[in-house]
Amino acid sequence: GQQVMQIPQYQHVQEGEDFTTYCNSSTTLSNIQWYKQRPGGHPVFLIQLVKSGEVKKQKRLTFQFGEAKKNSSLHITATQTTDVGTYFCAVANQAGTALIFGKGTTLSVSS
Amino acid sequence: DGGITQSPKYLFRKEGQNVTLSCEQNLNHDAMYWYRQDPGQGLRLIYYSQIVNDFQKGDIAEGYSVSREKKESFPLTVTSAQKNPTAFYLCASIQTGRATDTQYFGPGTRLTVL
Repeated sequence: GQQVMQIPQYQHVQEGEDFTTYCNSSTTLSNIQWYKQRPGGHPVFLIQLVKSGEVKKQKRLTFQFGEAKKNSSLHITATQTTDVGTYFCAVANQAGTALIFGKGTTLSVSS
Repeated sequence: DGGITQSPKYLFRKEGQNVTLSCEQNLNHDAMYWYRQDPGQGLRLIYYSQIVNDFQKGDIAEGYSVSREKKESFPLTVTSAQKNPTAFYLCASIQTGRATDTQYFGPGTRLTVL
């Protein structure tokens, strides 16, 4: 079935440093979504990318979809303690009826 | 106040007992999903339902059962056949059932089997 690899699994940064998580697929994706889960919380939708080479920004967060639509990245500029959590990418299954989630990247930030 | 509710937040059961986790939504969404989350494993799909009285198995359906008798309700039963049921269970819904829609999650139920 559809699978997506997400790296790194864990990342620790000092407050103010940048952070990037990557999501890779062996097959071409129709779309990709990103979610954030705060410690003890539930995943919350951040953004969806659908076009080849698409770049979207949300304040300090930059999302990219690769030209071949097989990979995506989430970059956070100048991390803050509020960025702590696990970031998941999610892609559609072959039937387009459910989301398959990556294993997530857990970000910790020290001040 | 619209959203997805899951109850209870924490649940303890003895080994060998079946347990049913509740999931209710008042978003009028067509599709509902159950995920299991273990440390380092991300979210794994257990079952999903796109319409009332119909549901499909996800990647890890063994040892679980579901029903969808009403649009707003999608309870998950963890049976005694599930070998390692202790986990965080998340319910979610999508408006139309297409994977391009935003998925909304409930707060989750943390199940511990003793």
